Amino acid sequence: ETGVTQSPTHLIKTRGQQVTLRCSSQSGHNTVSWYQQALGQGPQFIFQYYREEENGRGNFPPRFSGLQFPNYSSELNVNALELDDSALYLCASSQPGQLKSSGANVLTFGAGSRLTVL
Amino acid sequence: AQSVTQLDSHVSVSEGTPVLLRCNYSSSYSPSLFWYVQHPNKGLQLLLKYTSAATLVKGINGFEAEFKKSETSFHLTKPSAHMSDAAEYFCVVSPHYGGSQGNLIFGKGTKLSVKP
Repeated sequence: ETGVTQSPTHLIKTRGQQVTLRCSSQSGHNTVSWYQQALGQGPQFIFQYYREEENGRGNFPPRFSGLQFPNYSSELNVNALELDDSALYLCASSQPGQLKSSGANVLTFGAGSRLTVL
Repeated sequence: AQSVTQLDSHVSVSEGTPVLLRCNYSSSYSPSLFWYVQHPNKGLQLLLKYTSAATLVKGINGFEAEFKKSETSFHLTKPSAHMSDAAEYFCVVSPHYGGSQGNLIFGKGTKLSVKP
C-alpha cells in the first residue's frame, strides 16, 4: 500500500502571495487532516476533510482553506501569506468510521511541505 | 480542555542505556494517548497508542509507555537506546472520544540524542 504523499516538498513565497499544497491520502483512507508545524513546535491542527467537506477546524483564520476531491486527495490553500506562515505543513489520512466509540483512529502522516515566506 | 506537556525539550543518552521521555496529560475524560516519532525529512510515525485497554502499551522498536491515571502521565520508555532512535518524539492526546478523529493535540516535542 502507498503512504501519504505531499507536494511540493519545499517552496518559497513572498508575503501577500497565495500557496496551494497537495496531498494524496493512503489507499483506503477517506479522511484527510492538515497540520502546521512551526520550527521547534509540535504540529497544530488546521482542519479535517471527510466526504469532501470540512469536518472540524482548529484555530486558524479563514485565509486557510482546503478541498478534498472524490479520490480523497486534498489541497491546502493559504491566501495573503504572512511571515508567520513559514512552517512545515503536514497532511495525514485515516480510515473510515470516524464515530467509533473506542477512541481516535490512527493517522498516517506524510513527510510534509516546507513553506518559507519572505 | 485537553492538553499534553512534555517535561523535557531535550534528552541525551548513551547508546545501550535506558530512555525515558516524560509526558503529562490533561483531559476531562478518559483520553486516547499516542506517541509519535519524527525523523528529519520523514513523516510522523506512530510508536504506540493507548485507548483504555491495557495500561502498559507496547509499541514498535522496543518502546513502551504506561498510562497512569493517578499521575496523569504517559511516559515513554525503552530499555536500551540505539543510535537510530535519535529523533523528535511527540506525546499526543485526542480530544474527541468517538468523534472527529483528525484533531490531535501535540506536545511541543522532546528531542532525543543518542551518544555512541
